[in-house]
Amino acid sequence: DQQVKQNSPSLSVQEGRISILNCDYTNSMFDYFLWYKKYPAEGPTFLISISSIKDKNEDGRFTVFLNKSAKHLSLHIVPSQPGDSAVYFCAASAGEDYQLIWGAGTKLIIKP
Amino acid sequence: DGGITQSPKYLFRKEGQNVTLSCEQNLNHDAMYWYRQDPGQGLRLIYYSQIVNDFQKGDIAEGYSVSREKKESFPLTVTSAQKNPTAFYLCATEARRGALVNTGELFFGEGSRLTVL
Repeated sequence: DQQVKQNSPSLSVQEGRISILNCDYTNSMFDYFLWYKKYPAEGPTFLISISSIKDKNEDGRFTVFLNKSAKHLSLHIVPSQPGDSAVYFCAASAGEDYQLIWGAGTKLIIKP
Repeated sequence: DGGITQSPKYLFRKEGQNVTLSCEQNLNHDAMYWYRQDPGQGLRLIYYSQIVNDFQKGDIAEGYSVSREKKESFPLTVTSAQKNPTAFYLCATEARRGALVNTGELFFGEGSRLTVL
């Protein structure tokens, strides 16, 4: 039973345009959400997070939106750059549970 | 140079052999984790440790063992009991916010790719 779902295995976006990566979750106890970026043969790196008390968090070109009623979050990258080509993972945790629950990832390809 | 060092980067194993993957960190983080990544899947937690001499099973601990004798080190042994060990293994650490609350922000090593021949 996947509690965190990234339904798009891949996404192709033109350089300079907006990239929107989506993530859905089923566990209403999740209260902290994170996005990680991963290049091939490397470990993921933390990108941005959001607490359930907020509906938006921004960091430079990256913005995460949280819609609690829909149990949906999205990562917006504006403008998209070639270096953004990577696999993006959504992860969630509940309270003080130590375990992060991970989505399967979305491979983002930025076309020149 | 602060960070997390995983070794070896690539490892080949014959069926029936145990192998140990090393993970060393100098970030002074209390929490350490081992994840497994398979193609088309998210990261799955094998074991984690919040403090020296203590560790907990994750979702897929069967066929694996760990130790946490030092804060800096969290080696993972893939035993012959693990039925499908070919995978990419990731070690991570986590800083704590305050005394007890983990941040959820993990720092990962570069990974070890294990192939069973």
